[in-house]
Amino acid sequence: ETVLTQSPATLSLSPGERATLSCRASQSVSNYLAWYQQKPGQAPRLLIYDASKRATGIPARFSGSGSGTDFTLTISSLEPEDFAIYYCQQRVNWPPITFGQGTRLEIK
Amino acid sequence: EVQLVESGGALVQPGGSLRLSCAASGFTFSTYAMTWVRQAPGKGLEWVSAITGSGDTTFYADSMKGRFTISRDNSKNSLFLQMNNVRAEDTAIYYCARAVVPGSIDMSFDSWGQGTLVTVSS
Repeated sequence: ETVLTQSPATLSLSPGERATLSCRASQSVSNYLAWYQQKPGQAPRLLIYDASKRATGIPARFSGSGSGTDFTLTISSLEPEDFAIYYCQQRVNWPPITFGQGTRLEIK
Repeated sequence: EVQLVESGGALVQPGGSLRLSCAASGFTFSTYAMTWVRQAPGKGLEWVSAITGSGDTTFYADSMKGRFTISRDNSKNSLFLQMNNVRAEDTAIYYCARAVVPGSIDMSFDSWGQGTLVTVSS
């Protein structure tokens, strides 16, 4: 099973700042990595798939990068609605499909 | 507009059974692989099971294998999860979700339902 480790667990930033979230895989997942955003009481929302492709309707301030075992989700300038929990997910070594444990992005 | 609406969640006793449903609309259901993902209270996301668009191939997480069965009825645009011999650790919100790319088993998920809560308790 491919374990995904996200860091940091919690990130405290202010609106307008740049956010950098990390996801590390226990073995190579090529570029088959996705990022999701989840707000309280809501279903997850796909932001990025295949490491760097923005999903439909996702603002350009969200970008993804990386390949192999190390991946980054960057939010270039935080908006108030971006404060949420973010999960990475791999789909190359499955089953099982695995998710990271999440990074909570909170307002400083 | 793509819509996924889950139903069937309930309070069930350990060892009992439950059938979850997911009604799909706004897209050609039979061309998309579908999946179930769950989230225990206050916890992260856990993949449960997936099924190809035709329904001929299914996949399960190890802890659900033999207890859960995923199926679909493409004539009714519906996805199902039959849960047998449930345990307390199966307590979670269960989401159905759609794969991004039609005609493949590209398991990134671009549309999600609102979830249905399953509580396993005596």
